[in-house]
Amino acid sequence: GAGVSQSPSNKVTEKGKDVELRCDPISGHTALYWYRQSLGQGLEFLIYFQGNSAPDKSGLPSDRFSAERTGGSVSTLTIQRTQQEDSAVYLCASSASGTSGFVETQYFGPGTRLLVL
Amino acid sequence: QQQVKQSPQSLIVQKGGIPIINCAYENTAFDYFPWYQQFPGKGPALLIAIRPDVSEKKEGRFTISFNKSAKQFSLHIMDSQPGDSATYFCAASRANNNAGNMLTFGGGTRLMVKP
Repeated sequence: GAGVSQSPSNKVTEKGKDVELRCDPISGHTALYWYRQSLGQGLEFLIYFQGNSAPDKSGLPSDRFSAERTGGSVSTLTIQRTQQEDSAVYLCASSASGTSGFVETQYFGPGTRLLVL
Repeated sequence: QQQVKQSPQSLIVQKGGIPIINCAYENTAFDYFPWYQQFPGKGPALLIAIRPDVSEKKEGRFTISFNKSAKQFSLHIMDSQPGDSATYFCAASRANNNAGNMLTFGGGTRLMVKP
């Protein structure tokens, strides 16, 4: 079956511009995570969605970052007024459930490589 | 604060060798420890995972050893092959957590297996 897809695969933008990154999770997966992979910082958690519940935004590095998930499926990560330090690979992962008592495998997409000039 | 420390950062072995990658964690609330494998241009993919109620888990050529008292775990790759050349990440999360199973990753180990 289809895995997690992300678009665009690459994005080059100028400092100060806004960008939107899209994630299509595996069909039926209720949990969706965004992570950032950057040199020197490794892989870090950004935000978590579970079904229609309020998202866990505890990993977002600043208020320039926001995300939404429409209809419990597709998610968009928005970075406003991009800075050079935002350059990284943004990874999306989904799992069947993120609720208590279960550890469901997180399936990652290929990522969006963002370069801020 | 880096809650999961991974070493070494890079590793080169000959085909057939047994690379060992080590991780140490700080948060005793962690109770799920997966290893992910990542090839260039791809997202990480789950390789093997362990819960702290066992000290070892083996799947094919991959083995996790877990030491709860030392808060350490390691990945061993038996009979390594050039196709195993990739970046490996250890991770930790809280399984019994209503707030989701977000992963805390180690810094990664770039493995090269020479033919």
